[in-house]
Amino acid sequence: EAQVTQNPRYLITVTGKKLTVTCSQNMNHEYMSWYRQDPGLGLRQIYYSMNVEVTDKGDVPEGYKVSRKEKRNFPLILESPSPNQTSLYFCASSLRRGVGSGTDTQYFGPGTRLTVL
Amino acid sequence: EDKVVQSPLSLVVHEGDTVTLNCSYEVTNFRSLLWYKQEKKAPTFLFMLTSSGIEKKSGRLSSILDKKELSSILNITATQTGDSAIYLCAGLNTNAGKSTFGDGTTLTVKP
Repeated sequence: EAQVTQNPRYLITVTGKKLTVTCSQNMNHEYMSWYRQDPGLGLRQIYYSMNVEVTDKGDVPEGYKVSRKEKRNFPLILESPSPNQTSLYFCASSLRRGVGSGTDTQYFGPGTRLTVL
Repeated sequence: EDKVVQSPLSLVVHEGDTVTLNCSYEVTNFRSLLWYKQEKKAPTFLFMLTSSGIEKKSGRLSSILDKKELSSILNITATQTGDSAIYLCAGLNTNAGKSTFGDGTTLTVKP
């Protein structure tokens, strides 16, 4: 089954304790992205990756790191989490080929609800 | 900075009503606009629009893009309680991987 998986689905942690949220897709998509969702704020892009070893900042990258060593995986790293990073996180992937190719649809993972105390 | 604005922020209707959700965008090097439906889980894809004036339809839902007005609408006819959700609009930038989402419209359909 084509899907994007995230782990863990729920996490409660404390300020300053490093954590990693994993994201994996089995659709051979080149494009992957991380978003956070807070009440009333829609989805805000944290980081994205156009391909292996190619990553770039979205609109809210502060406090986050990512890596893309393999096509299928795109982990999100919080080196020193703080309470303002309490949020719902989504990973997404898409083919995102040439303009007009109709491949822009992003497929989302189930989400990770993170609470930082 | 790219910007996507959705209106209204929330809407309450009764079953059978028709609703129109709005999305305006300011996206550098515009590539496409996507609509998603989000219930109590991950967003699910509805429509992708790239060309002005070409309507996309799926059952009771339809959407159209106006490139001149930099806007899109999502229409839902004969609404059902199962249409209750947050509807998200996103603008995609050609030259980068940036995706800018609006804040969403929360639709509540009452029986």
